[in-house]
Amino acid sequence: GENVEQHPSTLSVQEGDSAVIKCTYSDSASNYFPWYKQELGKGPQLIIDIRSNVGEKKDQRIAVTLNKTAKHFSLHITETQPEDSAVYFCAPTPGTYKYIFGTGTRLKVLA
Amino acid sequence: NAGVTQTPKFRILKIGQSMTLQCTQDMNHNYMYWYRQDPGMGLKLIYYSVGAGITDKGEVPNGYNVSRSTTEDFPLRLELAAPSQTSVYFCASSYSRHNREETQYFGPGTRLLVL
Repeated sequence: GENVEQHPSTLSVQEGDSAVIKCTYSDSASNYFPWYKQELGKGPQLIIDIRSNVGEKKDQRIAVTLNKTAKHFSLHITETQPEDSAVYFCAPTPGTYKYIFGTGTRLKVLA
Repeated sequence: NAGVTQTPKFRILKIGQSMTLQCTQDMNHNYMYWYRQDPGMGLKLIYYSVGAGITDKGEVPNGYNVSRSTTEDFPLRLELAAPSQTSVYFCASSYSRHNREETQYFGPGTRLLVL
């Protein structure tokens, strides 16, 4: 089955700096790569996703890059703000709807 | 649209008791999912459904049952509660066609404590 790892597990950055979170997966059949943000006491919310035929996708301050050869994809947040503080999860899937979530990265943006 | 709603928000069960966690979505999504999230961990898929009358096991189905009699509702049943089932349970839904994954929308969660 799919083995998913996220690094780092915690990340503290100063407001305005950039943050990068990496997700490594094992199933070469994975073709859909979403990132979710979970705020305290709430359910996860999709913030950006990418499909296997695309190498990079950007949405304002958030971007995702995909390296299928190396089997990893990364979340990039620029100009971080306090409201970006949350836990971020990746959940690559090979198209079976059996999403495997990473263990999460706790991001703290220090004002 | 209310999105995905879950009830109850919090419940305490005694070992051996049973209960049903309710999940309803009003977005006419065909796919629905149940996950559990243990403290400090990611989400693990319990069961999912691709449409009314169709359900399938996820990563951790033991101790749970589901049914999908309508598009809107996807209840999760715990028959004999055990302490290992203490967790936060999330329901999610998505609209998928042509076997293409689409955005999952999550409910607010149900916190379950089994003592």
